Amino acid sequence: GAVVSQHPSWVICKSGTSVKIECRSLDFQATTMFWYRQFPKQSLMLMATSNEGSKATYEQGVEKDKFLINHASLTLSTLTVTSAHPEDSSFYICSARDVRKSGEQFFGPGTRLTVL
Amino acid sequence: QQQVKQSPQSLIVQKGGISIINCAYENTAFDYFPWYQQFPGKGPALLIAIRPDVSEKKEGRFTISFNKSAKQFSLHIMDSQPGDSATYFCAAASSGGYQKVTFGTGTKLQVIP
Repeated sequence: GAVVSQHPSWVICKSGTSVKIECRSLDFQATTMFWYRQFPKQSLMLMATSNEGSKATYEQGVEKDKFLINHASLTLSTLTVTSAHPEDSSFYICSARDVRKSGEQFFGPGTRLTVL
Repeated sequence: QQQVKQSPQSLIVQKGGISIINCAYENTAFDYFPWYQQFPGKGPALLIAIRPDVSEKKEGRFTISFNKSAKQFSLHIMDSQPGDSATYFCAAASSGGYQKVTFGTGTKLQVIP
């Protein structure tokens, strides 16, 4: 149980285009999902907290208009990188909190974004 | 106040040996301390977690030791195996994990045969 999936697992796009990444909790309902960014050989940096049915809470320094987050249902959150540039190339990871398990977070497999 | 410091940055251990990774935190509001294992190109996976009401928690070959007064906690991997080679992250959160998780900087473990 407590499986989180991400789609796509990797994506290559041209500079200036937008990319949407999906995060799904497969066997539980997640009122809260988190989006992280990880650069090579570095730790995970929280970008935003996504709550179902409300606006996402962004961490300091994260551009809201560039990284659009939508949490429309209890099992799906999406991250859209708008007008992507090469510096947005990174590993994006989501996690979902299973409230049945004392708030434990379960992570998705990540999405590798490469912007040419 | 939100930092979690982790050491060492990298670690090489022989098969069968003990791997030890240390972490320290500053925020006394933290009350949930998970450890995650991450393989290259994959998301982190929860390995083991502890709450401050106990000083030690063991699951198989993995043990967390927790020192509340020193605000330190560590992960011990007994009988380390090559399959344990991965990056390990300690983390901390408040409100029993219901608040956002703050990650340590990571330790790359290599277990050599």
